[in-house]
Amino acid sequence: EDQVTQSPEALRLQEGESSSLNCSYTVSGLRGLFWYRQDPGKGPEFLFTLYSAGEEKEKERLKATLTKKESFLHITAPKPEDSATYLCAPLNSGNTPLVFGKGTRLSVIA
Amino acid sequence: KAGVTQTPRYLIKTRGQQVTLSCSPISGHRSVSWYQQTPGQGLQFLFEYFSETQRNKGNFPGRFSGRQFSNSRSEMNVSTLELGDSALYLCASSPRDRDGEQYFGPGTRLTVT
Repeated sequence: EDQVTQSPEALRLQEGESSSLNCSYTVSGLRGLFWYRQDPGKGPEFLFTLYSAGEEKEKERLKATLTKKESFLHITAPKPEDSATYLCAPLNSGNTPLVFGKGTRLSVIA
Repeated sequence: KAGVTQTPRYLIKTRGQQVTLSCSPISGHRSVSWYQQTPGQGLQFLFEYFSETQRNKGNFPGRFSGRQFSNSRSEMNVSTLELGDSALYLCASSPRDRDGEQYFGPGTRLTVT
């Protein structure tokens, strides 16, 4: 069974203080990985898909990277509006549904 | 393009009642998935449909059921509601079968009293 672990569970940053979120997984036949952002009381918002080890994707202050065993979401000079829960979900080679991590709750303080 | 819509947005029901939630996917998307989200368990997979066929079902009791119509709209039903069914129910649609990214709706917040 696929397992996904995100760390840390919660992260508090000062505005402008860069950091990284981790998503590690055991998946049979990794074909890719999705990152999402979720604001309280709302549905997750799609951010990135990464398909191969070494791939990087960027969007504003966010950069996602992928290896065979883990993915990182780097946040550079965050702003308070980046506060949210960030979720990851690896895509396996079988026909089983996505398994989401429990997320990292990020708070950026002005 | 309009996003995924879910109705109703909020619902309060009593134990033992049943409830039907509705989801309209993004136009052209034929894949629809449902998730239950609670603070303790995170996002838990319920069902996946593609072209009216249930592809996968999560580890939930038989009280949870769903279906998809020919226009890709989907419904899920929960019978004999229990207090533990209180959660945010999320629907997501995907532009591709199996490996496409999913786009989520705003969810239906169900409270069971």
